[in-house]
Amino acid sequence: GENVEQHPSTLSVQEGDSAVIKCTYSDSASNYFPWYKQELGKRPQLIIDIRSNVGEKKDQRIAVTLNKTAKHFSLHITETQPEDSAVYFCAGAFVLSGSARQLTFGSGTQLTVLP
Amino acid sequence: DGGITQSPKYLFRKEGQNVTLSCEQNLNHDAMYWYRQDPGQGLRLIYYSQIVNDFQKGDIAEGYSVSREKKESFPLTVTSAQKNPTAFYLCASSIRSGTANTGELFFGEGSRLTVL
Repeated sequence: GENVEQHPSTLSVQEGDSAVIKCTYSDSASNYFPWYKQELGKRPQLIIDIRSNVGEKKDQRIAVTLNKTAKHFSLHITETQPEDSAVYFCAGAFVLSGSARQLTFGSGTQLTVLP
Repeated sequence: DGGITQSPKYLFRKEGQNVTLSCEQNLNHDAMYWYRQDPGQGLRLIYYSQIVNDFQKGDIAEGYSVSREKKESFPLTVTSAQKNPTAFYLCASSIRSGTANTGELFFGEGSRLTVL
């Protein structure tokens, strides 16, 4: 099955700096890569996703890049703010059976934005 | 107010006891999922269901069971066969599954199970 590796496991940045989280995947058939943010004590929520037919997607201060050849994708957060502090999970869609594509999650990155 | 509701939020169980976690959604979503969250291990899929009366094992199904008798409900039973059941359990739903583009997952607030 799919294997998604995520780095780093913890990341601290100064407020206003950029943060980058990287993920690699193993299944070349995967074609959907979402990122979820989980604030302390809350449920994970989708913040951005990218499909395999594009190389980059932006939404205000967050962006995701995808390199299908190298099988890695990254989350970029610019001008970080304290409210960006959370655990971020990457994920990839892979085939479990002939008709289903289910998500495999990375192990998560604890981002701390220091004031 | 649409959403996905899990109960109970906290649950304590003695070893050897089965326990059932509830998950209800009013989003009219076809697909529902159960994930287990452990520190440093991300979210691991236990079971998923694409339609009523059908469900499939995920990566870590051993020691768990589910049912999908209604579209809105997908309860998870943690049986005594699960060797390390203490964890945070997240239920999720999505509009559809079984396509090339898996839809956004909407998560419940989770249930924290502690085995004493």
